[in-house]
Amino acid sequence: KAGVTQTPRYLIKTRGQQVTLSCSPISGHRSVSWYQQTPGQGLQFLFEYFSETQRNKGNFPGRFSGRQFSNSRSEMNVSTLELGDSALYLCASTRTSGGSYEQYFGPGTRLTVT
Amino acid sequence: AQTVTQSQPEMSVQEAETVTLSCTYDTSESDYYLFWYKQPPSRQMILVIRQEAYKQQNATENRFSVNFQKAAKSFSLKISDSQLGDAAMYFCAYRSNNAGNMLTFGGGTRLMVKP
Repeated sequence: KAGVTQTPRYLIKTRGQQVTLSCSPISGHRSVSWYQQTPGQGLQFLFEYFSETQRNKGNFPGRFSGRQFSNSRSEMNVSTLELGDSALYLCASTRTSGGSYEQYFGPGTRLTVT
Repeated sequence: AQTVTQSQPEMSVQEAETVTLSCTYDTSESDYYLFWYKQPPSRQMILVIRQEAYKQQNATENRFSVNFQKAAKSFSLKISDSQLGDAAMYFCAYRSNNAGNMLTFGGGTRLMVKP
């Protein structure tokens, strides 16, 4: 079974631009969560999508948004990029049946804002 | 809100020896899940082990085992027969049963394995 895939793997953007990151979950997984990882703040939850609906949202400004498609693929968007948005963005998918709630992570997208 | 604390920023262990990584958490809930994740230099997060709070028995996965002390809100990871490939960042994570699949992570422990 293929794992979680994220594209692109690396991205360099300029302050003020916007960016879209993509995540394809493991087949059959309907929940997709996004996390931001930085040296200073560690791993922080951004949001979770389940069945095309945002189920939970972390403490991030409205510049961070996301969506999920009917095939469970998810995208996150960051508008008006700031230097502090430079981070590794991780996507994780969860099987929502069976009660294990194990999250499987993708390799991440490394975003650098200059 | 729940918090997860890993008090050891760095640990080192000799190859083939045993090491224990500490994790404490703060919650008012009685039903939840706890996880340990490993993040090697490739940055790929890998699930190591899972513990359901309602289970008294400590989880074990091959060389990895946990010591889950619910009353003390402690969840330590023991790695036996340490191998060079165990060198990585280790993160403890908490999942509430009331917040979807959101994980709250600790700050991580960097484990170094000496040959």
